[in-house]
Amino acid sequence: AQSVTQPDIHITVSEGASLELRCNYSYGATPYLFWYVQSPGQGLQLLLKYFSGDTLVQGIKGFEAEFKRSQSSFNLRKPSVHWSDAAEYFCAVANTGGFKTIFGAGTRLFVKA
Amino acid sequence: GAGVSQSPSNKVTEKGKDVELRCDPISGHTALYWYRQSLGQGLEFLIYFQGNSAPDKSGLPSDRFSAERTGGSVSTLTIQRTQQEDSAVYLCASSGDTGELFFGEGSRLTVL
Repeated sequence: AQSVTQPDIHITVSEGASLELRCNYSYGATPYLFWYVQSPGQGLQLLLKYFSGDTLVQGIKGFEAEFKRSQSSFNLRKPSVHWSDAAEYFCAVANTGGFKTIFGAGTRLFVKA
Repeated sequence: GAGVSQSPSNKVTEKGKDVELRCDPISGHTALYWYRQSLGQGLEFLIYFQGNSAPDKSGLPSDRFSAERTGGSVSTLTIQRTQQEDSAVYLCASSGDTGELFFGEGSRLTVL
């Protein structure tokens, strides 16, 4: 069975600083990997996904993530954080047989001026 | 409709009562998911329907929880004999061939 670990419950960064949110997964094969964002009072929105191919994937809002098979990781990055990026970020893993999707516990991002 | 629709948006019930939560997925989406999000918690997987296959019920926390999906479309999550620890937001999502999950606004359940 697949599982996801997001080791950081919350992170605070200054506006304009770079960001990296960590995600580690457990799955028997190469999974499908996703990052979703949940802004305060909003629903969940897909930021980016990895299925195969180039291990560096680009998403919306200037986010990117890199799949590292050797580390079972799929960390999310952004070079310069904006105040509007304050939200909860969820990493998710899906099996390749049918997209059963399991989410991590989430990382709450705080942005300070 | 254009998106995933859930009802009711809010439900307040007394301990011991049964509740039903409804999800209307995006037309044509073969997969439907239920998750539970408690205050400050992540998304807890409950159940997953994929096409005509038997549902994956591995996340249901107890036998008080059940779900069905009729005609490959609308789904109902039923919680029997509700307990205070069942209070949470219940999120439904559907997906098609891309694997991207589209979420509804959720049903907030409060058990008094």
